[in-house]
Amino acid sequence: GENVEQHPSTLSVQEGDSAVIKCTYSDSASNYFPWYKQELGKRPQLIIDIRSNVGEKKDQRIAVTLNKTAKHFSLHITETQPEDSAVYFCAASGDGYGNKLVFGAGTILRVKS
Amino acid sequence: NAGVTQTPKFQVLKTGQSMTLQCAQDMNHNSMYWYRQDPGMGLRLIYYSASEGTTDKGEVPNGYNVSRLNKREFSLRLESAAPSQTSVYFCASDNTYEQYFGPGTRLTVT
Repeated sequence: GENVEQHPSTLSVQEGDSAVIKCTYSDSASNYFPWYKQELGKRPQLIIDIRSNVGEKKDQRIAVTLNKTAKHFSLHITETQPEDSAVYFCAASGDGYGNKLVFGAGTILRVKS
Repeated sequence: NAGVTQTPKFQVLKTGQSMTLQCAQDMNHNSMYWYRQDPGMGLRLIYYSASEGTTDKGEVPNGYNVSRLNKREFSLRLESAAPSQTSVYFCASDNTYEQYFGPGTRLTVT
């Protein structure tokens, strides 16, 4: 089955710096890759996703890149702000309707002001 | 719209007790899911229901059962709770790609 690895497990950056979180997956049939943000004590919420027919997607300060050949995808956050502090999870799914997501272990992002 | 709701928010059980976690969604979604979240392990899929009337095992189904009562409701039952089932449980639903999560149930088994 699918296996998703996520690095780093913790990341501290200075406010205004960029943050990059990387994930690799094992199943070449996977075609949907979402990123979720979870604040302390809250539910996970989707912040951006990418499907296998595109290599990059951007939404304001957040971007995701996908390399299907190497089976890895990354989350990039620019101009980080204290409110970006949270746990970020990547996930992968081989089902075209996002079923059976396999999540990475998560990255704790701390933005220091 | 309430989105995805879960009850209860917190629960403490003794080993061997049983309980049912309830989940409901008002977004007319076809698919519903149960995950557990443990420190350092992300979210792991317990069971899912792709549509009303169907259920399938996920990554960690042992010790759990589910019921898709109707299109809105998807319950998770622990027949004989064990300390290893201490976790935060999330229900989620979707129609296509984005999964919407409920607020979670924090379960402690002593």
